Amino acid sequence: SQKIEQNSEALNIQEGKTATLTCNYTNYSPAYLQWYRQDPGRGPVFLLLIRENEKEKRKERLKVTFDTTLKQSLFHITASQPADSATYLCAPREGNTPLVFGKGTRLSVIA
Amino acid sequence: DAGVIQSPRHEVTEMGQEVTLRCKPISGHDYLFWYRQTMMRGLELLIYFNNNVPIDDSGMPEDRFSAKMPNASFSTLKIQPSEPRDSAVYFCASSLGAGNSAGGELFFGEGSRLTVL
Repeated sequence: SQKIEQNSEALNIQEGKTATLTCNYTNYSPAYLQWYRQDPGRGPVFLLLIRENEKEKRKERLKVTFDTTLKQSLFHITASQPADSATYLCAPREGNTPLVFGKGTRLSVIA
Repeated sequence: DAGVIQSPRHEVTEMGQEVTLRCKPISGHDYLFWYRQTMMRGLELLIYFNNNVPIDDSGMPEDRFSAKMPNASFSTLKIQPSEPRDSAVYFCASSLGAGNSAGGELFFGEGSRLTVL
């Protein structure tokens, strides 16, 4: 069966460091993968999309990589700030199928 | 545009009662999704519509759950009768296109937190 695993439920890092979140998937052949941010009591918000033919995508302090051989995406936040504290969700997608999400990683950036 | 609008934001009800959750998608979006989120199971897709037509309801847990989309600007998710295990946050999301077209990013509402006592 299809499975999405995000490295850990919670990740604590010091302000200014780089946070790295992992998304592994099995029994998927995604054409692309999306990352979302969710704050407590709010709905998820789209951050980035990376396609299967793209190795890396950047947006401001965010960087996403996509390795279809390893079946893995890495999500990096450089120079992290307390405002980056949230839950981050990954969602690999095959063609026109609806998005299925991982359980997310709760990131806490400590000042 | 105000984004995806859901109501109510919070609902507390007693077991056996009927619950109706409402959603207004972003104008012009042709896909609408209902998800349920719990700590244990994360975000689960319940059902989705394309141009008001239900496409896949295989995620609907039981016959107690039903969803409708009578027009492009309104959808409901109904639970009748409700049970304590239905307690969760229910999200509605909409998108323009799906799959490869424009990436199909989802726009979520703020959710309806349901508590069934």
